[in-house]
Amino acid sequence: DAGVTQSPTHLIKTRGQQVTLRCSPKSGHDTVSWYQQALGQGPQFIFQYYEEEERQRGNFPDRFSGHQFPNYSSELNVNALLLGDSALYLCASSSRRQGGYGYTFGSGTRLTVV
Amino acid sequence: EDQVTQSPEALRLQEGESSSLNCSYTVSGLRGLFWYRQDPGKGPEFLFTLYSAGEEKEKERLKATLTKKESFLHITAPKPEDSATYLCAVQAGGNFNKFYFGSGTKLNVKP
Repeated sequence: DAGVTQSPTHLIKTRGQQVTLRCSPKSGHDTVSWYQQALGQGPQFIFQYYEEEERQRGNFPDRFSGHQFPNYSSELNVNALLLGDSALYLCASSSRRQGGYGYTFGSGTRLTVV
Repeated sequence: EDQVTQSPEALRLQEGESSSLNCSYTVSGLRGLFWYRQDPGKGPEFLFTLYSAGEEKEKERLKATLTKKESFLHITAPKPEDSATYLCAVQAGGNFNKFYFGSGTKLNVKP
């Protein structure tokens, strides 16, 4: 049983560019949450998608946007990249029907902005 | 405001030297407290979930406990392979799909 799959694993972008990160949730999960983890810090909640809608959002600017597809997979888009956006971006999936239990993280996408 | 604080930031132990990591929290309506292990460049790996004060969970050399204000991760006779960053996270109130994370404790166990 595949867990949470994220792609790409590493990415280098230039300031001002746009980036799209992808996440496939664990089989049976319907909710996807995205986190940003700066070096030496704990993950910070960006937003959560369920039923193809953004349900909750953390303290991140509108440059961060997302999407969820009918197959529950999700994308995170970041526009007008800043050097400070360099981080490990983590996707976590869970099942809302199960009350959020089984929260599972992917291995992340390492984004470097130069 | 919901907040999670972990201490110490870093901990160096000799193999076999037991110790404890602390996670203190202020949150409205705790639904669960989670401990994760994270290796460099990897996503967090689930260790334990605790739901109520007084609860304890054990796995190999690790034991997690919970009070109303904090949680401890006890490491008994650690081995070098236990070296990792240990993250604490809380699920709060109605946000059962949103986790608040601490900054983690980086554990280094020397042989």
